[in-house]
Amino acid sequence: QVQLVQSGAEVKKPGASVKVSCKASGYTFTSYTIHWVRQAPGQRLEWMGWIDLTNDNTKYAQKFQDRLTITRDTSASTAYMELSSLGSEDTAVYYCAKGGGYSTYERFDYWGQGTLVTVSS
Amino acid sequence: DIVMTQSPDSLAVSLGERATINCKSSQSVLYSSNNNNYLAWYQRKAGQPPKLLIYRASTRESGVPERFSGSGSGTDFTLTISSLQAEDVAVYYCQQYYSIPFTFGPGTKVDIK
Repeated sequence: QVQLVQSGAEVKKPGASVKVSCKASGYTFTSYTIHWVRQAPGQRLEWMGWIDLTNDNTKYAQKFQDRLTITRDTSASTAYMELSSLGSEDTAVYYCAKGGGYSTYERFDYWGQGTLVTVSS
Repeated sequence: DIVMTQSPDSLAVSLGERATINCKSSQSVLYSSNNNNYLAWYQRKAGQPPKLLIYRASTRESGVPERFSGSGSGTDFTLTISSLQAEDVAVYYCQQYYSIPFTFGPGTKVDIK
């Protein structure tokens, strides 16, 4: 069965970076897209960006353009999300999610369990 | 950015009764070349990640009970739970994946009356 397993909770100081991993299993990793979505307390789910694993192309929401990097390790079937210059507003649960079809413009059919990132001095 | 709105914010329905949630997008999410609406519905139970229920506005995801159905086109969409069960208590979100950035509605909380 398809599973996305994320790395554990992180506590970071303002200005630091965080890197969250998302290990996929149960499907052909390189045939689909992995998206990253976050939800801050009291806020909506917020799409951050994707990595298209068929061609390694990435696309980021403009809001995160300058400080978000999404990468992958195909040999480990793992995607990574790195967010730099953290501020308190980045305290949120971060999710990876698998694209549901072969296009990048697709619903998210499987989600990771979420990783809580807390930014605090 | 496409703004998604939902109504109501919350609703309480008796077991076995119908629950209806509305979702509106600030611009059409209908892709004319394939006549598909790029609109999904997710269910999120406490402490869990979202779960896909419906995509292309009305296609039920594999394994989702038939009591869940989606309808609508263009900018106005509805999620219906035909006969509410106890396990349906959750927050429900609509999402457009028509254009970047993909955006979500604020969620509708469904409870048992």
